[in-house]
Amino acid sequence: EAGVTQSPTHLIKTRGQQATLRCSPISGHTSVYWYQQALGLGLQFLLWYDEGEERNRGNFPPRFSGRQFPNYSSELNVNALELEDSALYLCASSFPGLAANNEQFFGPGTRLTVL
Amino acid sequence: KNEVEQSPQNLTAQEGEFITINCSYSVGISALHWLQQHPGGGIVSLFMLSSGKKKHGRLIATINIQEKHSSLHITASHPRDSAVYICAAYTGGFKTIFGAGTRLFVKA
Repeated sequence: EAGVTQSPTHLIKTRGQQATLRCSPISGHTSVYWYQQALGLGLQFLLWYDEGEERNRGNFPPRFSGRQFPNYSSELNVNALELEDSALYLCASSFPGLAANNEQFFGPGTRLTVL
Repeated sequence: KNEVEQSPQNLTAQEGEFITINCSYSVGISALHWLQQHPGGGIVSLFMLSSGKKKHGRLIATINIQEKHSSLHITASHPRDSAVYICAAYTGGFKTIFGAGTRLFVKA
């Protein structure tokens, strides 16, 4: 069974540009989660999508947005990039919701560098 | 004070030693997740639990809901266990709060 996939692996942008990151969940999973891991910092929850809807978001500005498509894949868009947006962005998927049985499985991440 | 605290931050062990990593949380949770992150950044799910104890191979995870504390144990540690171990608390608002991670290095 294929795991969670993310693209691209690496992305280099300059300040003010927009970045688009993509995630394909495990087949059968409808929930997709996005996390940011800045260098030297821990994982921070960004967004949770389920059944095409944004269910919750972390403490990030509105320039971080995304969407989930009918096939449950997801995009994370970061507008007006700032240097501090440089980070590893991880996507995870699970069956619907967050409960003891709905374990999250993580993708390999996209490393975004903002110059 | 962070809502999810891990200890120790860094841990160096000799191969074969028994290792314990602790996670304390101050929020209400629906479940707690232990993750392993290797140097390349990839994250592997180890355990997800809301009560009691789970075991897989040399790894054991326990949680005490009353004390708001979870532990991850590694028996007979091996250099390939070297990684960052992260606990994640799933809160009632369906937000995930992560601990800062414990960096483990196991010497051969």
